[in-house]
Amino acid sequence: DAGVIQSPRHEVTEMGQEVTLRCKPISGHDYLFWYRQTMMRGLELLIYFNNNVPIDDSGMPEDRFSAKMPNASFSTLKIQPSEPRDSAVYFCASSLGISDNEQFFGPGTRLTVL
Amino acid sequence: AQSVSQHNHHVILSEAASLELGCNYSYGGTVNLFWYVQYPGQHLQLLLKYFSGDPLVKGIKGFEAEFIKSKFSFNLRKPSVQWSDTAEYFCAVNQGFQKLVFGTGTRLLVSP
Repeated sequence: DAGVIQSPRHEVTEMGQEVTLRCKPISGHDYLFWYRQTMMRGLELLIYFNNNVPIDDSGMPEDRFSAKMPNASFSTLKIQPSEPRDSAVYFCASSLGISDNEQFFGPGTRLTVL
Repeated sequence: AQSVSQHNHHVILSEAASLELGCNYSYGGTVNLFWYVQYPGQHLQLLLKYFSGDPLVKGIKGFEAEFIKSKFSFNLRKPSVQWSDTAEYFCAVNQGFQKLVFGTGTRLLVSP
């Protein structure tokens, strides 16, 4: 398996623009997680899905952020409109289970909002 | 609220020095414990994990961690670090079927 795949790897956009980040989890994994990593706040869980259903979105910062998982092999994280404070590295991870299973992380998308 | 604390934000060591990174959590009861590593420019990878059994867990690349339930700690150790161990290290904890909570990370710099 190629591991968790994320695209794009780098995104530079201007404030106010819509940004869509994409993730393909490892085949067979039932859980998908979106994290945001910044120097100030470290690694934060934004939202996670189980069998394509959002389970906990309490980490989503505000209504500008939305995430979908239309099928078992694809998820998107959308920011609309984007702001400079959204600049961060966004990681997607997947796992077989939630409790004692390792989460496999993707390479991340480095987002810069000017 | 449940939390994970990593008290050392930055650690600088010379090669061959011994390493211990602290991790404390605030959960009561049974927990699952993880250490992840993020090498410069790369994604997070699992170093080791503890679910039950022997509280001394051995992971990849010579790392080990000891679960001390009475101290709510899961410290990461390595007897002799190498330059290639330069990375950021994250402790993570969950309980039952709850989501994984990460610490703020410790940046380790090993000078050759």
